[in-house]
Amino acid sequence: DAMVIQNPRYQVTQFGKPVTLSCSQTLNHNVMYWYQQKSSQAPKLLFHYYDKDFNNEADTPDNFQSRRPNTSFCFLDIRSPGLGDAAMYLCATSAMSGHGYEQYFGPGTRLTVT
Amino acid sequence: EDQVTQSPEALRLQEGESSSLNCSYTVSGLRGLFWYRQDPGKGPEFLFTLYSAGEEKEKERLKATLTKKESFLHITAPKPEDSATYLCAAYNFNKFYFGSGTKLNVKP
Repeated sequence: DAMVIQNPRYQVTQFGKPVTLSCSQTLNHNVMYWYQQKSSQAPKLLFHYYDKDFNNEADTPDNFQSRRPNTSFCFLDIRSPGLGDAAMYLCATSAMSGHGYEQYFGPGTRLTVT
Repeated sequence: EDQVTQSPEALRLQEGESSSLNCSYTVSGLRGLFWYRQDPGKGPEFLFTLYSAGEEKEKERLKATLTKKESFLHITAPKPEDSATYLCAAYNFNKFYFGSGTKLNVKP
């Protein structure tokens, strides 16, 4: 089945220790997104790639970076995690073709910062 | 300001008790309105896309409708397995605007 895969599902890191979250997709979608979701809140868009074009949200902290080495993979790097960065991180993809704008989400990575 | 508001924040129903969830939007140039189901600790699962006012989509006990200002997710005769948070999102070619969700609890 075509899907969005995130690894790891759970990540524990120490305050200030860099961490990388990964996302891969078999849907061959040209757009990939990273969201941060905290408890009982709406997902908050951090950035997205339209093909190779990187689009950063204005309020995304510089502490968050992303890489998309190819169509299938996308990474979220948190350079110096703080306690406030503990959250669920969601990767999503979208085809952005004709009427096909809906996003498909991965299972998420739960990040804990100690 | 472009935004999406969902109500109620939480809803408790008895099994079989039908109800509706509301998603109000003030998003200019709407290109699509989406409904998702999110179970605890998991990513949102896509349910429906609605593109124009008057459009309706159905799936099992769920029916989504769209007007020019809001969308409704009608749940007919819900079962305990329908318990989840339901998110709506509006897209306008610029970005997706998510609501905070309605947490639905269906008791047997």
